[in-house]
Amino acid sequence: EVQLVESGGGLVQPGGSLRLSCEASGFTFSNYWMHWVRQAPGKGLVWVSRMNSDGSSTTYADSVKGRFTISRDNAKNALYLQMNSLRAEDTAVYYCARGRSYAGYYIDYWGQGTLVTVSS
Amino acid sequence: QSALTQPASVSASPGQSITISCTGTSSDVGGYNYVSWYQQYPGKAPKLMIYDVINRPSGVSNRFSGSKSGNTASLTISGLQAEDEADYYCSSYTSSTTNVVFGGGTKLTVL
Repeated sequence: EVQLVESGGGLVQPGGSLRLSCEASGFTFSNYWMHWVRQAPGKGLVWVSRMNSDGSSTTYADSVKGRFTISRDNAKNALYLQMNSLRAEDTAVYYCARGRSYAGYYIDYWGQGTLVTVSS
Repeated sequence: QSALTQPASVSASPGQSITISCTGTSSDVGGYNYVSWYQQYPGKAPKLMIYDVINRPSGVSNRFSGSKSGNTASLTISGLQAEDEADYYCSSYTSSTTNVVFGGGTKLTVL
């Protein structure tokens, strides 16, 4: 059974940093693109970042480029999102997700999400 | 990068059919057969319903179908049931630097 379990969310002050982790199991992690997608309270899904299977290719939404860094450790079956210079508008549930098909564009499995709250 | 355009809400009675549109550009929806649709219940993670425009993952009811014409993709749900009441999101591959874009979401109400 495919499982994606996020951790690392919490309350952080504006300008602060947070590192999210996603532990994957039930599939060969090193074969798949992986994504981070977020959802602000009461709002829609917003794609944040993705990384290819070996970590050599990354893309970011304009809203987080230069502040967030996606990474992975295939030996540990783990995906990460380092978030710096956090803003109130980064407050959201962050989902870790597995990508499929062309350049991993669609998501076939999602984690349950971890809540990040940016507030003073 | 601009989100794909979806209607904010749609509603219909049980047994009826509805179609949710997802409008993009030739750089995303219109340029590739890489459109997917997700269903999300409040407080839950999204679930994949359609991928590559028309394909249903195993376990998804055949009441759900996808299509595309030009820059607009559509999700059709036939024989509406109360359990279909949820939010629906489209997504597409895009030639922009981000490569992935979501729609703003559509709230389906089953009357």
